[in-house]
Amino acid sequence: GQNIDQPTEMTATEGAIVQINCTYQTSGFNGLFWYQQHAGEAPTFLSYNVLDGLEEKGRFSSFLSRSKGYSYLLLKELQMKDSASYLCAVRPTGGGNKLTFGTGTQLKVEL
Amino acid sequence: DAEITQSPRHKITETGRQVTLACHQTWNHNNMFWYRQDLGHGLRLIHYSYGVQDTNKGEVSDGYSVSRSNTEDLPLTLESAASSQTSVYFCASSERLAGGNEQFFGPGTRLTVL
Repeated sequence: GQNIDQPTEMTATEGAIVQINCTYQTSGFNGLFWYQQHAGEAPTFLSYNVLDGLEEKGRFSSFLSRSKGYSYLLLKELQMKDSASYLCAVRPTGGGNKLTFGTGTQLKVEL
Repeated sequence: DAEITQSPRHKITETGRQVTLACHQTWNHNNMFWYRQDLGHGLRLIHYSYGVQDTNKGEVSDGYSVSRSNTEDLPLTLESAASSQTSVYFCASSERLAGGNEQFFGPGTRLTVL
C-alpha cells in the first residue's frame, strides 16, 4: 500500500521562499508528482520527479530522495496567487499511470 | 484545443436514486480516472480505465460503477446514492504510457445526496 504525509497548512509572506515537504512509504515507486489546486478548481500539474535530485521550473522546484522516501516543493518569490493547496502524489510500480494522493498542504501567502 | 469536461457541474439528489456523472475528454487519452475529494481525505481513486472495455476498481469503489465504450467517455454511476457519497468528483485523463505523463483534471462535479 501507499502512505503519504504532508503538513496540513502553511503560511508564508509575499516575496519569501517556502518549502512544502512530502514523505511517502510505498510498496513500489515509479514517480512523484506535485499538483496545485486553487479553491473550487481542478488540480493542475506542477512537477514530476522519478530520479533523485532537483527539478527546476521557473519559480517552482521539486526535489526527490528515493532512499529517504522524501520530496519537497520549493516556491520562490511568493505571490498572492500562490495561495492554494499543494498535492503530493506517488505512482506505484506496475500500476500503470494511477496515482495515490496525499491530503494536500494548504498554503496561505500573506502581505 | 483539447479538453476534459464534466457534467453536471452541480447535482442534488436523494438517497437511493441512481446518478450518473459524465466525463468527456478530447485529448484522445487511453487512461481515464475518477476521484472523489473530501476534507481530510484528499483525492481518492474510485475507478480507472486504461482503454476501451477496460475498467478497474480503485481504493473506494463500493457503490460506484463505470463503463468504457469509447475512448472519449468514462461515465461514473452511483447505483443507489447514499449521503456518504456527498463529495466533489473529479475525472482525469492521461497518456497511455507512464513516464512523466501527468493526469489532466476536469473541472469537477459537486454532488449532494440528501
